[in-house]
Amino acid sequence: QKEVEQNSGPLSVPEGAIASLNCTYSDRGSQSFFWYRQYSGKSPELIMFIYSNGDKEDGRFTAQLNKASQYVSLLIRDSQPSDSATYLCAVIGSSNTGKLIFGQGTTLQVKP
Amino acid sequence: DTAVSQTPKYLVTQMGNDKSIKCEQNLGHDTMYWYKQDSKKFLKIMFSYNNKELIINETVPNRFSPKSPDKAHLNLHINSLELGDSAVYFCASSQDFGGRVGNTIYFGEGSWLTVV
Repeated sequence: QKEVEQNSGPLSVPEGAIASLNCTYSDRGSQSFFWYRQYSGKSPELIMFIYSNGDKEDGRFTAQLNKASQYVSLLIRDSQPSDSATYLCAVIGSSNTGKLIFGQGTTLQVKP
Repeated sequence: DTAVSQTPKYLVTQMGNDKSIKCEQNLGHDTMYWYKQDSKKFLKIMFSYNNKELIINETVPNRFSPKSPDKAHLNLHINSLELGDSAVYFCASSQDFGGRVGNTIYFGEGSWLTVV
């Protein structure tokens, strides 16, 4: 079982729709969860982080965390073509060394 | 000013050569990392240093040797390059190590290594 799993996609949504990206993790003791966006040929950039169960909203982005189900998701409302990128879920596990473990990423395509 | 900068951005070299990638951060962070992203875009940690001390050393061939002269710099030296070393290498930094709230990791722009 991979430590952090994502569906590689591509996930295709029309412009203006809600894009839902999902991620599961295996280390039940994980405490810190991150979503990074990576455009082709660029470095990962942090979109959001979440530490507590529930929802966290930032503009058009909402991160959702359910530690009991070991599940974290990212919702993008009013998707724009500029949101087309690979979204990387990342988790800092319970070892507390700060090792950030990435999923394989989900490619999102927003079609005009 | 770029917060985490690495050089060179592109590197094409022959098998068997030795090469180095340099990284510097001006964020005042204590912890620096090297990540490797392969052709399938999977991003995996290689090394982590906290205040010049090695914290994480994943299963990486010993041809790869990190060096941290001070906490603002973490260089990566690769000996006897192989075709399979072709990848994008990302340097990153964070305030310190550990999963505490707010300890976000910031990435450099990447170094594209191609071994021919």
